[in-house]
Amino acid sequence: ETGVTQTPRHLVMGMTNKKSLKCEQHLGHNAMYWYKQSAKKPLELMFVYNFKEQTENNSVPSRFSPECPNSSHLFLHLHTLQPEDSALYLCASRPGNPNTGELFFGEGSRLTVL
Amino acid sequence: RKEVEQDPGPFNVPEGATVAFNCTYSNSASQSFFWYRQDCRKEPKLLMSVYSSGNEDGRFTAQLNRASQYISLLIRDSKLSDSATYLCVVNTNAGKSTFGDGTTLTVKP
Repeated sequence: ETGVTQTPRHLVMGMTNKKSLKCEQHLGHNAMYWYKQSAKKPLELMFVYNFKEQTENNSVPSRFSPECPNSSHLFLHLHTLQPEDSALYLCASRPGNPNTGELFFGEGSRLTVL
Repeated sequence: RKEVEQDPGPFNVPEGATVAFNCTYSNSASQSFFWYRQDCRKEPKLLMSVYSSGNEDGRFTAQLNRASQYISLLIRDSKLSDSATYLCVVNTNAGKSTFGDGTTLTVKP
């Protein structure tokens, strides 16, 4: 148990569906992240939030829409996805100074787009 | 050139072997460094932080060479349970952590 909880753990959706991934951290951290990991590929940073403000969007397509209502919660809203978006989506958080701390990951949401 | 580059692997070693992984980074302003471990279909988990003075945790030793911009991880007396993908992670600025592609280790009986 890392203190970072992601739901759902598994999601299957059609290309016309709209769904959301949720991440909640119970660690009092100030920075939260979304990463994407496709099969046999390295982690790709998608979004970074510091104190609820988005500080990085790593050229992510607009069909992925993040939302950070407070420092403990992070959402990834999904709409009109493509089959190549099927991947493991990992949420992470970091304590204190965002430049130096380790990342704490959730267990991930495994997404399949049909 | 990638910001963080790791030995491509895979590494297949017998139990008890010593194995070393290397990682290089391109941003000289990088501030902190880590090795993570990722098991198949699981999330990455911190293995150890890497300090300039070098640090050891049981069978694992991590080294940082800022002048040459590389990080290493040494695993002694490999166990079957060490089989995993090892990720080199470099923190640059603005809260950005850059991951290497990972090096896969398989320890065989």
